[in-house]
Amino acid sequence: QVKLQESGPGLVKPSETLSLTCTVSGGSISNYFWSWIRQPAGKGLEWIGRTHVRVGTGYTDYNPSLKSRVSMSVDTSKNQISLKLNSVTAADTAVYFCATDTTTSLDVWGQGSTVTVSS
Amino acid sequence: DVVMTQSPLSLSVTLGQPASISCRSSQSLVHSDGNTYFNWFQQRPGQSPRRLIYKVSNRDSWVPDRFTGSGSGTDFTLKISRVEAEDVGIYYCMQGTHWVPYTFGQGTKLEIK
Repeated sequence: QVKLQESGPGLVKPSETLSLTCTVSGGSISNYFWSWIRQPAGKGLEWIGRTHVRVGTGYTDYNPSLKSRVSMSVDTSKNQISLKLNSVTAADTAVYFCATDTTTSLDVWGQGSTVTVSS
Repeated sequence: DVVMTQSPLSLSVTLGQPASISCRSSQSLVHSDGNTYFNWFQQRPGQSPRRLIYKVSNRDSWVPDRFTGSGSGTDFTLKISRVEAEDVGIYYCMQGTHWVPYTFGQGTKLEIK
């Protein structure tokens, strides 16, 4: 069973870039699509986007609401998926989850990483 | 984007009694391949979401058979035949038919009366 663990700075200043990694164990990172989802405190879930390793080029799909500020990539040497969100504001304060993505569902989720945007 | 609307948004149920949550989508979730990619997730307090149901009615391996998913087109239901204490949490529906993006319902909070 694949296990996922998100990590990264818990505090980011406004206008800076949020950077998180998701470390994968128990499975090959090349075999899956990977999604990021976020959840502001006490609120619902928002899908951020997905990525997949493909020979020669990376594959990504992003939520149009965040597309201009988000990027994702996969590092197969470290078994990690990364998320970057630039020009953050307080509205980006949330718990960020990574999950395996079957292209129609999200089946295995990590524990989540809390990010606060504040000066 | 497909809008997912859940009802009720909160539910208080006596232990051992049934519970039902509805989710309606703003457009049909029948995919061009004939499948309906509709999911339910459970989020227990302080935990990450876990998938309960995929493709409308298929339970994940950890899910007890007191949970049943049903529905078609735009209207879907999650039923718990006899609520247990471990069922407390928030339940989310999610569509995976019309991406990008995946979209979720607002969540339904289940508590014990």
